[in-house]
Amino acid sequence: QPVLTQPPSVSASLGASVTLTCTLSSGYSNYKVDWYQQRPGKGPRFVMRVGTGGIVGSKGDGIPDRFSVLGSGLNRYLTIKNIQEEDESDYHCGADHGSGSNFVYVFGTGTKVTVL
Amino acid sequence: QVQLVQSGAEVKKPGSSVKVSCKASGGTFSSYAINWVRQAPGQGLEWMGGIIPIFGTSNYAQKFQGRVTITADESTSTAYMELSSLRSEDTAVYYCARGVVRGVQDYYYYSMDVWGQGTTATVSS
Repeated sequence: QPVLTQPPSVSASLGASVTLTCTLSSGYSNYKVDWYQQRPGKGPRFVMRVGTGGIVGSKGDGIPDRFSVLGSGLNRYLTIKNIQEEDESDYHCGADHGSGSNFVYVFGTGTKVTVL
Repeated sequence: QVQLVQSGAEVKKPGSSVKVSCKASGGTFSSYAINWVRQAPGQGLEWMGGIIPIFGTSNYAQKFQGRVTITADESTSTAYMELSSLRSEDTAVYYCARGVVRGVQDYYYYSMDVWGQGTTATVSS
């Protein structure tokens, strides 16, 4: 199964852009990844799904247009443009692997985004 | 819009079991997957397993195999997660989350788009 690697933290100034990276382990370059946002003290919230062709399906409910995704090679990116205070959150990526009785889902370790 | 409502907080002794429920209201239950995800204090998300109620099939993370049982009751639109042989490291918030299903025999699921409010389980002697 894939291992998803995320940097522990990133920071950005209010109104700037920030790109989060989720890196799949070798051999899994065709995998799609789900992004989730988790505000402090709250439960996770689905952001969107991304493959090498970009977004897969629709954004989660209430996700602003300033959130976008790209995928390239083993990397899956989540970009937040014009970052706002309410975007300060932990961001988790996750991926499904296998099918039927062999199905599993794995999460990355998460990235904490701080808005300066 | 579907909502997932979980049962309340639990305090358990080491070695005992905990069973958390997740009731869906306001939408379709059976044709989606229900995942169980936990988060220990200060840690990331950890997938424990899931079930597709309409198929009655469950999948588990290897880490929890033999210790977790996930079931669903279609008649009440409720999913359950039972974790046994509890230890202090199982202290966490437990979430249920709905996932999109594809396939039948070769099913898989992804994009957890609706989440329960979380249930805190504390394991302490």
